[in-house]
Amino acid sequence: NAGVTQTPKFRVLKTGQSMTLLCAQDMNHEYMYWYRQDPGMGLRLIHYSVGEGTTAKGEVPDGYNVSRLKKQNFLLGLESAAPSQTSVYFCASRGQGESYEQYFGPGTRLTVT
Amino acid sequence: AQSVSQHNHHVILSEAASLELGCNYSYGGTVNLFWYVQYPGQHLQLLLKYFSGDPLVKGIKGFEAEFIKSKFSFNLRKPSVQWSDTAEYFCAVVTGGGNKLTFGTGTQLKVEL
Repeated sequence: NAGVTQTPKFRVLKTGQSMTLLCAQDMNHEYMYWYRQDPGMGLRLIHYSVGEGTTAKGEVPDGYNVSRLKKQNFLLGLESAAPSQTSVYFCASRGQGESYEQYFGPGTRLTVT
Repeated sequence: AQSVSQHNHHVILSEAASLELGCNYSYGGTVNLFWYVQYPGQHLQLLLKYFSGDPLVKGIKGFEAEFIKSKFSFNLRKPSVQWSDTAEYFCAVVTGGGNKLTFGTGTQLKVEL
């Protein structure tokens, strides 16, 4: 099992450009999450999904959109990138039930110039 | 909303020193708590978790945490740190009716030889 994978690993964008980050998991997990990690701020939840076809806003959703068309994939989109979106983005997933443990991907380092 | 606080942002220890990292949560009811670790350049990995039962929880790599309900605390401990414990440590609490984790801002631990 690959677990949770993210593509790309690194990306540099110019202000105003768009891009999509892909998260894939092979653990048949229902829940998937997108976080951003910034120095001194921990991990902040952007959007999440409790099942295929569902999405919900997290703590910092502005400027991002998500889609969960297939259970194993969770896409994070930036329609018009801004320098404030320079960050490391982590995807995570978890299964049903009350273990609540989330499994994290390796991260995507995004720089917006 | 449920939250966690990590008051130690940076900790520097010598090898073999004892470690205690603070974590306080805000909710007085039933809580589910985690400690995650992020080694340099890597994704988050679960160290240990508390759901119920014995308030002293043992995790991987010799780490343990004690849940003290009266103090709203879930501090992470290790009797003797190693250079390889250099990492960032995050406390997290289950929120959103079980759908989400809320993370603390993290503690950077540096262990010197």
